Amino acid sequence: DQQVKQNSPSLSVQEGRISILNCDYTNSMFDYFLWYKKYPAEGPTFLISISSIKDKNEDGRFTVFLNKSAKHLSLHIVPSQPGDSAVYFCAAPSLTQGGSEKLVFGKGTKLTVNP
Amino acid sequence: DVKVTQSSRYLVKRTGEKVFLECVQDMDHENMFWYRQDPGLGLRLIYFSYDVKMKEKGDIPEGYSVSREKKERFSLILESASTNQTSMYLCASSLFYSGKYTEAFFGQGTRLTVV
Repeated sequence: DQQVKQNSPSLSVQEGRISILNCDYTNSMFDYFLWYKKYPAEGPTFLISISSIKDKNEDGRFTVFLNKSAKHLSLHIVPSQPGDSAVYFCAAPSLTQGGSEKLVFGKGTKLTVNP
Repeated sequence: DVKVTQSSRYLVKRTGEKVFLECVQDMDHENMFWYRQDPGLGLRLIYFSYDVKMKEKGDIPEGYSVSREKKERFSLILESASTNQTSMYLCASSLFYSGKYTEAFFGQGTRLTVV
């Protein structure tokens, strides 16, 4: 039962254009979301996050939008650059039975930005 | 800067061997995690620990065990390696504030091949 879903395995865009990566979630208790970026043979690095009290968070070229009623969030990259080519993971903290927190990840979207 | 260090970048082991993957973090984080990443499956949580000697099963614990004798070190153990455990293994750590989440920091990953 996947609580965080990224339904597009891959996305290809031209340099300078907008990249939009989508993420859906099923657990209405999620109140915080994170995006991670991963290059091959490296660990994921934190990119941007959003709390459920907001509907938008911006950091430079990266903006995350949250639509709570639709249980949907999206990451916008404008303008896209070849160095943005990576796998992007959407994640949300989830409480465990023991009362601690774990991160639940989507399957990722591989973004390719063509020069 | 938070640093999460995994002991090996690449490992090749034989079927049936006992394998130890080591992870050390230098920021006094309470939480530590082991994930594996496989194509098309995203990041799946194997085990995590929220305190010394405390552990909790993740989504795919079968065939694995963990050890956390010191706060900064979290070990993943493959009791008897099998070819379906060939994967990229990622260690992560995070602070835990009650009621407030902080992002997880990842190590560089260990690419394990079981032959």
